[in-house]
Amino acid sequence: DQQVKQNSPSLSVQEGRISILNCDYTNSMFDYFLWYKKYPAEGPTFLISISSIKDKNEDGRFTVFLNKSAKHLSLHIVPSQPGDSAVYFCAASYLGFDGATNKLIFGTGTLLAVQP
Amino acid sequence: DGGITQSPKYLFRKEGQNVTLSCEQNLNHDAMYWYRQDPGQGLRLIYYSQIVNDFQKGDIAEGYSVSREKKESFPLTVTSAQKNPTAFYLCASSIGGWSYGYTFGSGTRLTVV
Repeated sequence: DQQVKQNSPSLSVQEGRISILNCDYTNSMFDYFLWYKKYPAEGPTFLISISSIKDKNEDGRFTVFLNKSAKHLSLHIVPSQPGDSAVYFCAASYLGFDGATNKLIFGTGTLLAVQP
Repeated sequence: DGGITQSPKYLFRKEGQNVTLSCEQNLNHDAMYWYRQDPGQGLRLIYYSQIVNDFQKGDIAEGYSVSREKKESFPLTVTSAQKNPTAFYLCASSIGGWSYGYTFGSGTRLTVV
């Protein structure tokens, strides 16, 4: 049962245009969402996050939008650059039943290719 | 520089053999994790440890074992009981518990030959 889904395995955009990566989730208990970026043969690196009490968080060229009613979040990259080409994972976290333990659930990833 | 180091980067194993993947961190993080990445499956949690001498199974622990004798080290053993061991393995650490600030290592690619 995939609780965090990234339905687009790949995305190709032109340099300078906007990249929009999407992520859907099924568990309404998730209270924090993160995006990680991963280059081949390397570990993921944290990119940006958003709390469930917000609907938008911006950091430079990267903006994450959260629509809780639709259980959907998206990552916007503007303008896209060739160095942004990587796999992007969304992840979601919720507080466990013990009240102290969060669990991080990752999506399947989207491969972004930014064409020069 | 603080960081998390996984070794080796590439590892080949014959069927039926156990193999141990190394993970060392000098970030003074309490919690450490092992994930497995397969094409189209995202990152799946194998084992995690929130403090020294304690660890718990993740979602896909069968065929794996871990130890946490030191805060800095969290080795993963892939045993012969793991039916599909060929994968990319990622180690991560965080300040405490399930803090949102995961730091990942660069990964180990394990191939069974």
